[in-house]
Amino acid sequence: DTAVSQTPKYLVTQMGNDKSIKCEQNLGHDTMYWYKQDSKKFLKIMFSYNNKELIINETVPNRFSPKSPDKAHLNLHINSLELGDSAVYFCASSRGTGVAYEQYFGPGTRLTVT
Amino acid sequence: SQQGEEDPQALSIQEGENATMNCSYKTSINNLQWYRQNSGRGLVHLILIRSNEREKHSGRLRVTLDTSKKSSSLLITASRAADTASYFCATDAKGGATNKLIFGTGTLLAVQP
Repeated sequence: DTAVSQTPKYLVTQMGNDKSIKCEQNLGHDTMYWYKQDSKKFLKIMFSYNNKELIINETVPNRFSPKSPDKAHLNLHINSLELGDSAVYFCASSRGTGVAYEQYFGPGTRLTVT
Repeated sequence: SQQGEEDPQALSIQEGENATMNCSYKTSINNLQWYRQNSGRGLVHLILIRSNEREKHSGRLRVTLDTSKKSSSLLITASRAADTASYFCATDAKGGATNKLIFGTGTLLAVQP
């Protein structure tokens, strides 16, 4: 029944490692997003895909690479992890692009880089 | 760049009281949304208000929008302990990229039973 799911929920890893976070939505939405929430709870968009096409690519280090194999999935791969990458990463989806649509968020993945 | 700023940063009230949170933004908008985030959870959409609307209600929630002052408020009436959460406003930027939401800094609401 979960609308937007993410795995894993927690990720603890060492600097320099490569890791992936997976996201799936079963809402039939066309648009998916990745957000980063820092320790002060500031939430910032990283990427957005619409029908598997990248439409938003904020100023994010190119160590971060999103991939959308189909409309229902949006994964985030992070290379050469750094301490500053520690944050909670949220996946979200919406029925369409544009801010007239409400977004549905996943439960988040807490990434800790040691 | 950050668009919205919530005020206050933190608010503590007793159950049954009303809670008011404010959001100010910098540039003209098309829409403004409010979201709630319970501790350790993802954000949940509460209300969307368009720039040509002045007030919107949903259950115990009332949102107002004053585009002349570039501000919005979220009122939760008859608060409950379960309302304890962080509340965020989110806007687009008219004339800018209209396909992304810019979130504010959030108000942490604590409702004491």
